[in-house]
Amino acid sequence: IAGITQAPTSQILAAGRRMTLRCTQDMRHNAMYWYRQDLGLGLRLIHYSNTAGTTGKGEVPDGYSVSRANTDDFPLTLASAVPSQTSVYFCASSSNRAGANVLTFGAGSRLTVL
Amino acid sequence: AQSVSQHNHHVILSEAASLELGCNYSYGGTVNLFWYVQYPGQHLQLLLKYFSGDPLVKGIKGFEAEFIKSKFSFNLRKPSVQWSDTAEYFCAVSGTSYDKVIFGPGTSLSVIP
Repeated sequence: IAGITQAPTSQILAAGRRMTLRCTQDMRHNAMYWYRQDLGLGLRLIHYSNTAGTTGKGEVPDGYSVSRANTDDFPLTLASAVPSQTSVYFCASSSNRAGANVLTFGAGSRLTVL
Repeated sequence: AQSVSQHNHHVILSEAASLELGCNYSYGGTVNLFWYVQYPGQHLQLLLKYFSGDPLVKGIKGFEAEFIKSKFSFNLRKPSVQWSDTAEYFCAVSGTSYDKVIFGPGTSLSVIP
């Protein structure tokens, strides 16, 4: 079934450690996104990529980095995790053709930083 | 910068009651508007969208939303809610199909049988 695969599903991490959340899509969507979901704050955009080879900063990019080496993969890296990065992280993609900017979401990665 | 506000953080309704969830956005140009829903334990999924044309759009499960440009609003409505509508509802906006999508803080809806 076509969709988005995120890994890991859940992770507990010590503060200061490096962590990469993986995201792969098989729909050949050109745009991909990373959001974090926090109670009372909804989904906030961390980084996005409109096409392979390009990335952009979202609303809350500090402490995170992304890369988009190919169409399918969009990993999110926390270089040195801090407790405030405890959250549920959602990867999403869209074809972003004119009139088609509808997001497909992954199942999420729950990250706890101690 | 784009922003989205949602009027209610948590709404509690009895079954068969009518629902209206408020959404206002801030953006200066042409907008694409969305409502997404997250049922307990499930992925976020699209409920309905507005790109252009008729400002009253209909989505899945009997939901509809009305785009009022003069009020920068895109409120979600359903005439009669069911227990299965219990979920988190998110309003979202993007400037164009090539623009990033920004979400509101969400409204948690609890429907009591």
